[in-house]
Amino acid sequence: EPEVTQTPSHQVTQMGQEVILRCVPISNHLYFYWYRQILGQKVEFLVSFYNNEISEKSEIFDDQFSVERPDGSNFTLKIRSTKLEDSAMYFCASNRDGGNSPLHFGNGTRLTVT
Amino acid sequence: AQRVTQPEKLLSVFKGAPVELKCNYSYSGSPELFWYVQYSRQRLQLLLRHISRESIKGFTADLNKGETSFHLKKPFAQEEDSAMYYCALSPRGYGQNFVFGPGTRLSVLP
Repeated sequence: EPEVTQTPSHQVTQMGQEVILRCVPISNHLYFYWYRQILGQKVEFLVSFYNNEISEKSEIFDDQFSVERPDGSNFTLKIRSTKLEDSAMYFCASNRDGGNSPLHFGNGTRLTVT
Repeated sequence: AQRVTQPEKLLSVFKGAPVELKCNYSYSGSPELFWYVQYSRQRLQLLLRHISRESIKGFTADLNKGETSFHLKKPFAQEEDSAMYYCALSPRGYGQNFVFGPGTRLSVLP
């Protein structure tokens, strides 16, 4: 069964540095998402992406965040200048039909900002 | 705004006992409801969705629109059911985000 893949599995960075988290969604999916989960807290929506543009974003997704689909397979999340509170597990997800079909999640990238 | 609540952070039951994980939602429209499960060190994966009305790994969930609930049930818990369970809501429509509840950690004791 096809899976969403994320790299790296763990990223450690210093405060103020830029990070790029990478995801390869399932190939025939059209909608892509980023969620995050701070340790011990719930899964929070960051952004959804469809047809090469952001379709929805949360309050968390401020100007420090950006997403891109640089080619036909990758979907990236960039944090321009990381803060300590950005430390979390970041999950990429994709689905075929937006809100009408289940999300398929990647294994996540654990981001640690020191 | 849509919201999902799961009142229990932790639920412990003995093997073979019935289990019910509670989920309530608030949404003005007609949502789709899902249960996701996260086993230790694994990704979030879909357990079941209300429109399919199927039983997965012995779990069932019924959407009660009057009570705005979507409780997850299993008559006889197994140790391998120990995991984090997340109830999630998707507003009907394309490209709209899923809203997750805070999760319930189920611990099935031998």
